[in-house]
Amino acid sequence: QSALTQPRSVSGSPGQSVTISCTGTRSDVGGYSYVSWYQQHPGKAPQLMIYDVTKRPSGVPDRFSGSKSGNTASLIISGLQAEDEADYYCCSYAGSWSWVFGGGTKLTVL
Amino acid sequence: QVHLVESGGGVVQPGRSLRLSCAASGFTFSGSAMHWVRQAPGKGLEWVAVISYDGSNENHGDSVKGRFTISRDNSKNTLFLQMNSLRAEDTAVYYCARAEGQQLGPWGQGTLVTVSS
Repeated sequence: QSALTQPRSVSGSPGQSVTISCTGTRSDVGGYSYVSWYQQHPGKAPQLMIYDVTKRPSGVPDRFSGSKSGNTASLIISGLQAEDEADYYCCSYAGSWSWVFGGGTKLTVL
Repeated sequence: QVHLVESGGGVVQPGRSLRLSCAASGFTFSGSAMHWVRQAPGKGLEWVAVISYDGSNENHGDSVKGRFTISRDNSKNTLFLQMNSLRAEDTAVYYCARAEGQQLGPWGQGTLVTVSS
């Protein structure tokens, strides 16, 4: 169960768009349509932002979207806002009732 | 509204045991699978364990397999994590989370476990 690979940090100015990648293998990201993304502000619990690769829970702004191609999933945040500054984690179902997280990406809003 | 409250964390010596609890409310606990996830200080999230809605099936991550055991008491709406043979690298905030499909739904606020002599 190796962690999924995410960039350590990304940044963007308010109003811009950023993309956070999440690379796994055919055994996890590439093998299932079960990638989810979590936002975590300092000192807070993670919050679900995207599930099943592209779906948004109610209450999550439509500025957040997800996609997947092969073994790499992506979280796209458009129209960046100051409150989007946080850590973001991807997570994939990895078969045999197991899950694996990415190492996390720190998003800085300039 | 889903509410999850973890408890049982604290400072424990290496090699000792600790049991964490997660009290659930606001949803049908007996109908939901549940997860434990941990986060070492300044580090990322690590999936720890999952248990089925009725406790009949469970699975644990490789780093805790054979040392940690997830369980539940549906009569008390409570999830547990029994942690044995604790190591310094088990130091982390431990979160419980409701399973919603293949994603982790609402999370609790976490409880800190520190393994130190």
